[in-house]
Amino acid sequence: QQQVKQSPQSLIVQKGGISIINCAYENTAFDYFPWYQQFPGKGPALLIAIRPDVSEKKEGRFTISFNKSAKQFSLHIMDSQPGDSATYFCAASMRGAQKLVFGQGTRLTINP
Amino acid sequence: DAGITQSPRHKVTETGTPVTLRCHQTENHRYMYWYRQDPGHGLRLIHYSYGVKDTDKGEVSDGYSVSRSKTEDFLLTLESATSSQTSVYFCAISEGQGSGNTIYFGEGSWLTVV
Repeated sequence: QQQVKQSPQSLIVQKGGISIINCAYENTAFDYFPWYQQFPGKGPALLIAIRPDVSEKKEGRFTISFNKSAKQFSLHIMDSQPGDSATYFCAASMRGAQKLVFGQGTRLTINP
Repeated sequence: DAGITQSPRHKVTETGTPVTLRCHQTENHRYMYWYRQDPGHGLRLIHYSYGVKDTDKGEVSDGYSVSRSKTEDFLLTLESATSSQTSVYFCAISEGQGSGNTIYFGEGSWLTVV
């Protein structure tokens, strides 16, 4: 059973556009929601993370929007660049736990 | 660089043979993990460790065992490899000070079972 559902599986965006990746969860015990970025042949690396006490977190061109009532969160990449082409994973962990549950991943391609 | 070394990085093995993947960290982090990555499934936790000789199962632990005899080393063993265990395996580490502590990943071990 997939505790964190991610969509879309793949996404193509033009350079300069906005990339949006969505995730939904069911377990209300989750209290930490990170996004990881993975380049081909590399391990995933933390990009940005949010806790459910805030609705939005922004770091440079990357923004997480969080909707606690809908149990959804999303990653927005503004002014998308070819260097942003990668696979993105959303994840969640529970209060007191030290392990992550991941979404299925989104392969993002930014066309120049 | 998160100070994680996985070995081997690539391996081809035959069905039914035992395989051990090694993860070595230089960060002295308490928590270590083994994940597998498969298309359409994202990353799934196999086993994790919260200290020397302290391990627990993840969501896809069947067919795998782990051992941690030193803080810096975490071994993943496939007792009798099957084709369904063809995957990319990632070791990860975390300081483990409560949820929200960053988990750092190694560069992966590509395993093919033929």
